[in-house]
Amino acid sequence: DTGVSQDPRHKITKRGQNVTFRCDPISEHNRLYWYRQTLGQGPEFLTYFQNEAQLEKSRLLSDRFSAERPKGSFSTLEIQRTEQGDSAMYLCASSLAGIPNEQFFGPGTRLTVL
Amino acid sequence: GDSVTQMEGPVTLSEEAFLTINCTYTATGYPSLFWYVQYPGEGLQLLLKATKADDKGSNKGFEATYRKETTSFHLEKGSVQVSDSAVYFCALSDKNTGNQFYFGTGTSLTVIP
Repeated sequence: DTGVSQDPRHKITKRGQNVTFRCDPISEHNRLYWYRQTLGQGPEFLTYFQNEAQLEKSRLLSDRFSAERPKGSFSTLEIQRTEQGDSAMYLCASSLAGIPNEQFFGPGTRLTVL
Repeated sequence: GDSVTQMEGPVTLSEEAFLTINCTYTATGYPSLFWYVQYPGEGLQLLLKATKADDKGSNKGFEATYRKETTSFHLEKGSVQVSDSAVYFCALSDKNTGNQFYFGTGTSLTVIP
């Protein structure tokens, strides 16, 4: 299967701990996106990369959040000093640049902050 | 800014009933429009898309037409099946805003035999 993969699928942590999630996009895709989805809501954009460059960040992405894509392949999303409000599903998507921009989503990482 | 407003659910239909899920959008440019589906326990999957006005996207018996005059992209299916039970998300992508997706809140559909 050459779809988008995310690791871990589930993460339970205590408030104040740091967590890191990984996303492996479809290999030929140069764009990678992170979204957050809370219960009963649609995904909300956090940030996106074109190759290794982070081109846009949402105001939802507080300074406790950082994302990297060091070699333009996989990406990591780190949350420092987690808060209970960070509990959500974190989704990764990838695409080729261009129009139409069809994004392919991974299964997500479900974060629970106790 | 760009946004999507989607019909609230949940929606419960009997098998073979007609389905409509309403979606309207606000965008500064000329967005592409999408319907994604999320089956229980699975990730988002693209169901159909349309990239310009009057385009009709279709897949698996579902259809949606990009209506610029009413800024709408309503999802329809003539005869739903139990296997269509899922959450449906309307979304737009606008190259003027970096191609990020704006999603609606999702509509949960349950089809009963």
